[in-house]
Amino acid sequence: NAGVTQTPKFHILKIGQSMTLQCTQDMNHNYMYWYRQDPGMGLKLIYYSVGAGITDKGEVPNGYNVSRSTTEDFPLRLELAAPSQTSVYFCASSWGGKNTEAFFGQGTRLTVV
Amino acid sequence: GENVEQHPSTLSVQEGDSAVIKCTYSDSASNYFPWYKQELGKRPQLIIDIRSNVGEKKDQRIAVTLNKTAKHFSLHITETQPEDSAVYFCAVNFNKFYFGSGTKLNVKP
Repeated sequence: NAGVTQTPKFHILKIGQSMTLQCTQDMNHNYMYWYRQDPGMGLKLIYYSVGAGITDKGEVPNGYNVSRSTTEDFPLRLELAAPSQTSVYFCASSWGGKNTEAFFGQGTRLTVV
Repeated sequence: GENVEQHPSTLSVQEGDSAVIKCTYSDSASNYFPWYKQELGKRPQLIIDIRSNVGEKKDQRIAVTLNKTAKHFSLHITETQPEDSAVYFCAVNFNKFYFGSGTKLNVKP
């Protein structure tokens, strides 16, 4: 199993551009999450999904959108990128919502200039 | 949402000493409490977890204790080694994971 795979690993985006961060998992996990981690800071939940077709906002959803058309994929869309969205983005998945470990992807380092 | 507070934000210990990191949470419905270690430039990885029906769990040099009444749990690392240097995050889980702000542990040789 590859686990949780994110692409790209690094990206530089210009202000006002849009892009999609890809996340896929091969563990048949129901729950998937997107977090952002600013330098020296903790992980803030952007969006999460409890299964295909179901998504919900986390702590910091503004400026982002997600979709979950399949169990495996959970892309994160940035519209009209702003410098404040410069961060490391982590996708994670877990089998259930309670009492289960979250597995993280390797992260996407995004810089908005 | 859940409020998770983690202390201290930085911790420096001598090799061989013990390190303790503490977290408090607000939602009494939370029932799963994992600890993650994040090395520089890498993804967070689970090192130990505890469920609400258990008060303490050990795995070699690391242990976690949970006090559900007081809503706090702690990570204990004994006989610290330089490779323990990293950022440690506590988390609470009830349908989604909320993370503490992290503790940067530095183990001096």
